[in-house]
Amino acid sequence: QKEVEQNSGPLSVPEGAIASLNCTYSDRGSQSFFWYRQYSGKSPELIMSIYSNGDKEDGRFTAQLNKASQYVSLLIRDSQPSDSATYLCAVNTPNTGNQFYFGTGTSLTVIP
Amino acid sequence: DVKVTQSSRYLVKRTGEKVFLECVQDMDHENMFWYRQDPGLGLRLIYFSYDVKMKEKGDIPEGYSVSREKKERFSLILESASTNQTSMYLCASSSRGLKAYEQYFGPGTRLTVT
Repeated sequence: QKEVEQNSGPLSVPEGAIASLNCTYSDRGSQSFFWYRQYSGKSPELIMSIYSNGDKEDGRFTAQLNKASQYVSLLIRDSQPSDSATYLCAVNTPNTGNQFYFGTGTSLTVIP
Repeated sequence: DVKVTQSSRYLVKRTGEKVFLECVQDMDHENMFWYRQDPGLGLRLIYFSYDVKMKEKGDIPEGYSVSREKKERFSLILESASTNQTSMYLCASSSRGLKAYEQYFGPGTRLTVT
């Protein structure tokens, strides 16, 4: 079982819609959760971090964490074509030697 | 702004060559990381370092070594390049404590081994 799992997509949404990206993790001891955005041919860029249950909002982005269900999600409101990218979920798991795992990413396309 | 730079964007090497990939960060970060990224496999950690002259193995250290002689510089060495090391190599840095996993990435080096 992978430490962090994401649907690879592709996920397509029309411009102005809400895009919902989901991520599940396997280790209940995981403590910190991150969303990175990666444009094609570029390196990942941190867009959100969340450390406690509930919602965290930053502009058009909202990260949601539910530790009991072991999932973290990213909502993008008023999606723009410039949001088209691959979104990587990352999890800090202190009980393992490595401690930090990335999912394989979900590809999002926002259609004008 | 955090800046992480890598010595080359594209590199082509022959099988058996020794390859050096350099990474420099300018934010006085304690932590530095080397990943490789392959389609369908995502980002995989090769090595990381929490301090000068300190290194820890990640998930896939075989065939690689690292060097951190100065705080701002972290080098990845492929001792004898093989075709299965053709990949995108990404360096990242972060500060300590809770921010340790808020990583800042360099632009990447696309290495092709022929």
